[in-house]
Amino acid sequence: SQTIHQWPATLVQPVGSPLSLECTVEGTSNPNLYWYRQAAGRGLQLLFYSVGIGQISSEVPQNLSASRPQDRQFILSSKKLLLSDSGFYLCACNPGGTLNQPQHFGDGTRLSIL
Amino acid sequence: LAKTTQPISMDSYEGQEVNITCSHNNIATNDYITWYQQFPSQGPRFIIQGYKTKVTNEVASLFIPADRKSSTLSLPRVSLSDTAVYYCLVLPGPLNTGTASKLTFGTGTRLQVTL
Repeated sequence: SQTIHQWPATLVQPVGSPLSLECTVEGTSNPNLYWYRQAAGRGLQLLFYSVGIGQISSEVPQNLSASRPQDRQFILSSKKLLLSDSGFYLCACNPGGTLNQPQHFGDGTRLSIL
Repeated sequence: LAKTTQPISMDSYEGQEVNITCSHNNIATNDYITWYQQFPSQGPRFIIQGYKTKVTNEVASLFIPADRKSSTLSLPRVSLSDTAVYYCLVLPGPLNTGTASKLTFGTGTRLQVTL
């Protein structure tokens, strides 16, 4: 079965600082990968998804970017963080090349911007 | 833009059956109905998925009418540990820029189970 590793679990960053969150996946090859953000008391908003190495699709305009340098590695980045970037960031995956498969989620990174 | 509609919250006593209904009027032919459970500070956890009629696993049942425009998650004999937020999601068949918006979760249904 698939296992998703996210780190760090919590992060406190000042406004204007850079960001790099990493997600790695085990137990599957060529997965679809996703980055979500969840604001306090809200649902999960899809930020990016990737169906393969170097293939990134963005769902909302924002201060963040994503990259997929390896098949099972997904990175969320920012050059200069804003206060509005605070939230709970979740990485998810499901098998690539198949339809409608449920997503498996990591344990998330809680990001606080000061 | 939310693609599904669920009640914001529900309350139940331990040992009762809980039914949570979700509306998904714009479901497409290749879409599957999927339910997740989320505890605070954790990622959502997959519960059950179905396409039509009824699906049952060791945790829950999922009822889907013939028109597939709604679905009902049934949790038998809930316990205190079932207190969580439950999300209904319509997973698209082809994943592309036209369908990926379906993967944004709404606010879900907050289920509170008490003694």
